[in-house]
Amino acid sequence: GAVVSQHPSRVICKSGTSVKIECRSLDFQATTMFWYRQFPKQSLMLMATSNEGSKATYEQGVEKDKFLINHASLTLSTLTVTSAHPEDSSFYICSAIRTSGNNEQFFGPGTRLTVL
Amino acid sequence: DAKTTQPPSMDCAEGRAANLPCNHSTISGNEYVYWYRQIHSQGPQYIIHGLKNNETNEMASLIITEDRKSSTLILPHATLRDTAVYYCIVRVDLNAGNMLTFGGGTRLMVKP
Repeated sequence: GAVVSQHPSRVICKSGTSVKIECRSLDFQATTMFWYRQFPKQSLMLMATSNEGSKATYEQGVEKDKFLINHASLTLSTLTVTSAHPEDSSFYICSAIRTSGNNEQFFGPGTRLTVL
Repeated sequence: DAKTTQPPSMDCAEGRAANLPCNHSTISGNEYVYWYRQIHSQGPQYIIHGLKNNETNEMASLIITEDRKSSTLILPHATLRDTAVYYCIVRVDLNAGNMLTFGGGTRLMVKP
């Protein structure tokens, strides 16, 4: 089956620093990737849609200047949390849509971000 | 996409069938019913999906009512590793490439 990886799996950083999270589709090409955020005991909330070669589309309430998304290739999207604050601590999950076949969506394992 | 309603939590004895209900009374004719599950601190995992007919795969069975306003996911022989949050999602055409909208899900606890 199709595999999506995320790196790092967990990261701890100081307040004010920036953190980059990578999402890779390992064995398929993905024109579209999604970034979700999940707070403890809550459901996944879509943050943005990442399209290869174009600007990301952000959901209402998500600051595009704080959560920078780059989708430079068909297998890699990155999410950079800039000037991180403790309230940005969350579980960040990406998903990728396989462009060949039936456009099925595959999820990464998630990245646990803790901002001190 | 149509909204779904699921019970917040359910218990199931190990080895027994787990039947997880989902209401989607406003589902449209071109919307599919998808089921995903999320084990603690992992990404969601696809289980099964269907449009009208009942579906079965190696993980589960999906029973959709004739009016398509509700469905049931059946795990025939639940194991402890099936403890997870199960999400029922209704969305448009499979090939639309749209994002999935997650509701609250059902937290299934399989007990020994």
